Amino acid sequence: GQNIDQPTEMTATEGAIVQINCTYQTSGFNGLFWYQQHAGEAPTFLSYNVLDGLEEKGRFSSFLSRSKGYSYLLLKELQMKDSASYLCAVDQTGANNLFFGTGTRLTVIP
Amino acid sequence: DTAVSQTPKYLVTQMGNDKSIKCEQNLGHDTMYWYKQDSKKFLKIMFSYNNKELIINETVPNRFSPKSPDKAHLNLHINSLELGDSAVYFCASSQELAPSYEQYFGPGTRLTVT
Repeated sequence: GQNIDQPTEMTATEGAIVQINCTYQTSGFNGLFWYQQHAGEAPTFLSYNVLDGLEEKGRFSSFLSRSKGYSYLLLKELQMKDSASYLCAVDQTGANNLFFGTGTRLTVIP
Repeated sequence: DTAVSQTPKYLVTQMGNDKSIKCEQNLGHDTMYWYKQDSKKFLKIMFSYNNKELIINETVPNRFSPKSPDKAHLNLHINSLELGDSAVYFCASSQELAPSYEQYFGPGTRLTVT
């Protein structure tokens, strides 16, 4: 079957670093996306990984290990505005057919 | 300028009614999508269209019928609404159908069926 697992909720302190993990078992793999979704808003794109390794983009980095079916999103220097849900999604078919995990709700506290 | 827009933002209706949600993108993208996000925040793809042609039709009841009059528009018509259809529906677009292209989401339409 296909499955994407993420922790349901996480809490971290402003200024700290947090790592959100995602493990996946899907029928195909053509890349993994991370999206951010603030409450009541639309998801917005954060990152895309298709090769193993770390992609860094400002305060956010994303890592992929295809052999382990594993990815993480690393958020540094956390700000209050980073409180949101973070969605891991796999493109199974190469036609941008995204299979989403249930998301991780991150709360940043002062 | 809004990149992906949807109307209406909120839709409250009774069981058995028929309703439509409209979506437009002004990004010049070739591919558009409809997603459903349920009360547990699980986001699931329903349809994708590329250059007005249906590409993906996930296991969705045939009460849901997408229509793409042109590349910039993808509307969703729902017949005989049921309580379980209550959800937030997101339209999205991407430049192409190929991997790696990020999807741009509209603001969502919150549908409540009573």
